[in-house]
Amino acid sequence: EAQVTQNPRYLITVTGKKLTVTCSQNMNHEYMSWYRQDPGLGLRQIYYSMNVEVTDKGDVPEGYKVSRKEKRNFPLILESPSPNQTSLYFCASSFWGGSYEQYFGPGTRLTVT
Amino acid sequence: KNEVEQSPQNLTAQEGEFITINCSYSVGISALHWLQQHPGGGIVSLFMLSSGKKKHGRLIATINIQEKHSSLHITASHPRDSAVYICAAGGIQGAQKLVFGQGTRLTINP
Repeated sequence: EAQVTQNPRYLITVTGKKLTVTCSQNMNHEYMSWYRQDPGLGLRQIYYSMNVEVTDKGDVPEGYKVSRKEKRNFPLILESPSPNQTSLYFCASSFWGGSYEQYFGPGTRLTVT
Repeated sequence: KNEVEQSPQNLTAQEGEFITINCSYSVGISALHWLQQHPGGGIVSLFMLSSGKKKHGRLIATINIQEKHSSLHITASHPRDSAVYICAAGGIQGAQKLVFGQGTRLTINP
């Protein structure tokens, strides 16, 4: 089954404790992206990757890191989480980006206290 | 001004009504996506359009490239259609990022 998986689905953590949210896709997609969704602000892009070892900033990259060492995986790293990073996070993938059908992961609800 | 604007922001209707959600964008794009987000939070792709019209069951999506406008229609609406509908523009100015509208919260009452 074609899918994008994210882990964990829910996470409560404390300020400053490094965390990683994993994202994996099984469709051999080149393009992967991370978004955060906040009430009243909609979906905003954090980082995206056009292929292995190719990543670029989206609209709200501050406080986040990503890496793309394998085509199927695109982890999101919060080195020192802060309360303003409390949000719902989505990973998505597609063949070549915004001109192609998007596949979204189930979301990760993160709370930073 | 946002590059992608949706209207209305909220829409409440009775079961069976014909629903229209609108999306306007301000620059050239290569694709327009309609997404559905149910209360549980997951996002599903409904349509991707670059021209014309697409239909899937009771859902119809249209796009007018010249007017930079797209609509999502739901015929014979049902309470299970209650969700947030999001349009997203892809390929703006050649870039492959997606730019999202703010979403339309649709509630269908039985």
